[in-house]
Amino acid sequence: AQTVTQSQPEMSVQEAETVTLSCTYDTSENNYYLFWYKQPPSRQMILVIRQEAYKQQNATENRFSVNFQKAAKSFSLKISDSQLGDTAMYFCAFMKPLAGGTSYGKLTFGQGTILTVHP
Amino acid sequence: DAGITQSPRHKVTETGTPVTLRCHQTENHRYMYWYRQDPGHGLRLIHYSYGVKDTDKGEVSDGYSVSRSKTEDFLLTLESATSSQTSVYFCAIGAANYGYTFGSGTRLTVV
Repeated sequence: AQTVTQSQPEMSVQEAETVTLSCTYDTSENNYYLFWYKQPPSRQMILVIRQEAYKQQNATENRFSVNFQKAAKSFSLKISDSQLGDTAMYFCAFMKPLAGGTSYGKLTFGQGTILTVHP
Repeated sequence: DAGITQSPRHKVTETGTPVTLRCHQTENHRYMYWYRQDPGHGLRLIHYSYGVKDTDKGEVSDGYSVSRSKTEDFLLTLESATSSQTSVYFCAIGAANYGYTFGSGTRLTVV
């Protein structure tokens, strides 16, 4: 079974600064997907960024980027120019496709990291 | 997200009573999922469905059953609610290549 570990229960950062959230996972699979989700106080789960394991290039979405180290099984999230609206719980998630050639699968989540952005 | 809705948003129920949570999608996705969220555990998969009347268990399925009689509806039932089932429940649809979409969640309290 896959496991996902987020070792930082809480993080804080000053507005406009950069912060990195850590995530490690354990799997014997070669084909999989990784995600970061944001959950603000509204409780809504919002997709931040995703990475396909077969792609060596790190994914980026505006101020959000990842450092994907496949051999080390590490998938960290970097938030640049932090904004007050980035305050939320962040979840790292792993997905192994249920069947070859498909992108359907069950998500396995880490425990979450609470990020607080201070003005 | 407008493509997936959960009901109810909040519910308080007594120990031993049956409870059904509903997930409705308008995106025609084949796969639907039920997760529960608890502090220190992130989200954990309860059950999922890969088509009408096709369902399978997740990692925390004990005490829960599901049904899917139509593509758009996925029901989660607690046959006899216990205090350990107090949680926030999320339904999800989608796939990895275009992202999973989650409902707004149901906060269930069993007293």
